[in-house]
Amino acid sequence: DIQMTQSPSSVSASVGDRVTITCRASQGLSTWLAWYQQKPGKAPNLLIYAASTLQSGVPSRFSGSGSGTVFTLTISSLQPEDFATYYCQQANIFPYTFGQGTKLEIK
Amino acid sequence: QVQLVESGGGMVQPGRSLRLSCAASGFTFSSYHMHWVRQAPGKGLEWVAVLWYDGSTKYYADSVKGRFTISRDNSKNTLYLQMNSLRAEDTAVYFCARDGDGYNQFDCWGQGTLVIVSS
Repeated sequence: DIQMTQSPSSVSASVGDRVTITCRASQGLSTWLAWYQQKPGKAPNLLIYAASTLQSGVPSRFSGSGSGTVFTLTISSLQPEDFATYYCQQANIFPYTFGQGTKLEIK
Repeated sequence: QVQLVESGGGMVQPGRSLRLSCAASGFTFSSYHMHWVRQAPGKGLEWVAVLWYDGSTKYYADSVKGRFTISRDNSKNTLYLQMNSLRAEDTAVYFCARDGDGYNQFDCWGQGTLVIVSS
């Protein structure tokens, strides 16, 4: 199975900050990678797919980049509603696997 | 609008069975692959199973293979997950999710249904 490792596991930041989350895959994915945001008690919400394509309706402050084994999710200017947990997911080979999550907290 | 609604969760004893349902609306259900994803309390996301749009192909996580069966009824716009020989480690919120167009992302999720396996 492909192992997905996110870093950091948690991060504290302030409104207006720029934040970057990294996801590393144990083998190459090309660009078969997605990012999700999850708030407590809610279902995940798709942010980015194909490594860098913004899902319809997602604010443009979210962006994704990378290919192969290293990917990043960047939030350019944090808003209060962005404090949540973020997951990467490889969509290259079954079984699909997720990173362990990155919890973004208010400083 | 696109909507997925899970049902069928509850508390069940180890070794027993449970069937989850996911009712889809707002899109052509029979055109999309569908997945189950679960999340144990306080833990991360775990992909469980996928079923092709026409029911022809399915894959499972090793943790559920041989115990869980994914199926669908395209005439009823409903996805199912039959869970047999349940274990304590199957305790989780179970989400159904739609496979997006072309890039294998989960572009629509249900609200989830909680399964608790306990004696």
